[in-house]
Amino acid sequence: NAGVTQTPKFRVLKTGQSMTLLCAQDMNHEYMYWYRQDPGMGLRLIHYSVGEGTTAKGEVPDGYNVSRLKKQNFLLGLESAAPSQTSVYFCASSPQGLGGNQPQHFGDGTRLSIL
Amino acid sequence: AQSVTQPDIHITVSEGASLELRCNYSYGATPYLFWYVQSPGQGLQLLLKYFSGDTLVQGIKGFEAEFKRSQSSFNLRKPSVHWSDAAEYFCAVGANSGYSTLTFGKGTMLLVSP
Repeated sequence: NAGVTQTPKFRVLKTGQSMTLLCAQDMNHEYMYWYRQDPGMGLRLIHYSVGEGTTAKGEVPDGYNVSRLKKQNFLLGLESAAPSQTSVYFCASSPQGLGGNQPQHFGDGTRLSIL
Repeated sequence: AQSVTQPDIHITVSEGASLELRCNYSYGATPYLFWYVQSPGQGLQLLLKYFSGDTLVQGIKGFEAEFKRSQSSFNLRKPSVHWSDAAEYFCAVGANSGYSTLTFGKGTMLLVSP
């Protein structure tokens, strides 16, 4: 049982390059989330999805796009990477939203550096 | 909108001593409350959660937390800390509705001294 798997685990980009982070979950969860974690800032929600084909903006969505074409996958895209996007990115999933009395399950993170 | 404050950035506790990590939240109604722990290089692991009912919540690894509505607090406690408890701890709050999302505090780093 893999849970939530993030790929890649590490990546270095140059400013202006694009890339996609992949999150896959094998728990048949409806909800999926992308967070970024910066020192002293805790986790901040970038985008989330309440089901296949849906996406919604979180607290810090600018500069990112997401897609949820398949229920088990949630992709986070950076179209033109900027040094301010250097961070550790976490994906999470949950069976339902918080009203369903279910916690979020987290992946191990992707450490992204942009030079 | 909800918010979370963890007043202590770092805390150092001697092994075997008791621990209390503070968490204060801001939300207009009774929120959903969580404590997560993050070991270096790892994702977040849920320690415990409060949705309703008994205000003293038991979690994994011997942790407990108490919801105090009058103080808007959800402090995490452990009676005897082990060296393996050294990690970063995050409090999180969510609105009690189906489409709500979590808001995390900035975290408290726990250091355990011998």
